[in-house]
Amino acid sequence: TQLLEQSPQFLSIQEGENLTVYCNSSSVFSSLQWYRQEPGEGPVLLVTVVTGGEVKKLKRLTFQFGDARKDSSLHITAAQPGDTGLYLCAGYKAAGNKLTFGGGTRVLVKP
Amino acid sequence: EAGVTQFPSHSVIEKGQTVTLRCDPISGHDNLYWYRRVMGKEIKFLLHFVKESKQDESGMPNNRFLAERTGGTYSTLKVQPAELEDSGVYFCASSRQGSEDTQYFGPGTRLTVL
Repeated sequence: TQLLEQSPQFLSIQEGENLTVYCNSSSVFSSLQWYRQEPGEGPVLLVTVVTGGEVKKLKRLTFQFGDARKDSSLHITAAQPGDTGLYLCAGYKAAGNKLTFGGGTRVLVKP
Repeated sequence: EAGVTQFPSHSVIEKGQTVTLRCDPISGHDNLYWYRRVMGKEIKFLLHFVKESKQDESGMPNNRFLAERTGGTYSTLKVQPAELEDSGVYFCASSRQGSEDTQYFGPGTRLTVL
């Protein structure tokens, strides 16, 4: 059983459309991170959300941390082919000093 | 500043053989982590070094896996003897400090055990 459930596992959309990726857990995390991974490379950190209810924006990407710090979402507005990739959420618990990853969402944006 | 590097990028071995993976963290990063992604599963934590000391090795699958970080610089992860279920991508990450400092990931080593 995964501690962090990501949905959907795969998303295929047309350029210009919006998309949302969800990351849900029954556990509370001190922070939650979103990564993007390209083929042949390791995950690259996009953003860290720390406070319950926090919203962070990175250009067309909007990240939200749930009030209870158990879930998060990533919303991409007007997706472009360059947004294609594997998006991973990862929770951090200070007690363990390690990251717990979700299964990932593979996003394909067609031109 | 050079990023985290891992060697080799790919390794194909037969069941029962030994393989050693290497990770060179970013210079000055005391914290070094190993993670693994098995096909179809999420990336999972294996262990965490602070300098040369193992801080947490709770994610190591079994005693066929041995990680070292002599001198607190690069780290090696040895699998001996390798089994089919060890196939996957092994990632190394490093961070300057512990706590919630950003972890920078290497490109990973893809291990295939036949």
